Amino acid sequence: GAVVSQHPSRVICKSGTSVKIECRSLDFQATTMFWYRQFPKQSLMLMATSNEGSKATYEQGVEKDKFLINHASLTLSTLTVTSAHPEDSSFYICSAKVGVETQYFGPGTRLLVL
Amino acid sequence: AQKITQTQPGMFVQEKEAVTLDCTYDTSDQSYGLFWYKQPSSGEMIFLIYQGSYDEQNATEGRYSLNFQKARKSANLVISASQLGDSAMYFCAMRIYGNNRLAFGKGNQVVVIP
Repeated sequence: GAVVSQHPSRVICKSGTSVKIECRSLDFQATTMFWYRQFPKQSLMLMATSNEGSKATYEQGVEKDKFLINHASLTLSTLTVTSAHPEDSSFYICSAKVGVETQYFGPGTRLLVL
Repeated sequence: AQKITQTQPGMFVQEKEAVTLDCTYDTSDQSYGLFWYKQPSSGEMIFLIYQGSYDEQNATEGRYSLNFQKARKSANLVISASQLGDSAMYFCAMRIYGNNRLAFGKGNQVVVIP
């Protein structure tokens, strides 16, 4: 299947700092990427839809100023958690839409905010 | 809004046996897609199988098959000849055509024992 990478795989940061997570499609172009958040032993919750060359579409309850999304190219979307707090600690996972139907997921990024 | 239900508790499966994971969904739309993803302890979401709502035949992909019963709104995953590497969380998801969002169920935990 299609390959999606994420960087970093895990990050620990201090409260108040910002963290950038990259999501790349390695062997295809993705006009649409998605960012999800997953708490331990829970399901994935869609945070936002990232569209190349335009503003991201955020789900209800997700602060757009807190979670900045940039999709500047057809192979890269970034999620920046600004002024991170301990409650932002979570598993963040991106996906890219391939063709009409399938989404392929990256390996995820574990964020721990101290 | 669509809703995905996975209610089975964690399951232990003997190696080489088959296992069925239940998934029911609720939607008023006629056009939709159903997906199963596998999430091992590493966190990556691995796409397994897809079924379109208009597909007349059940989807199969290697050892994975989807028992699609449209009238009952169920899309159970069958894993045949379980392997130790099948131990993971399994998520059922649905996408409404014309909408990029994937809605996920809460997942089923499967542990394959030798």
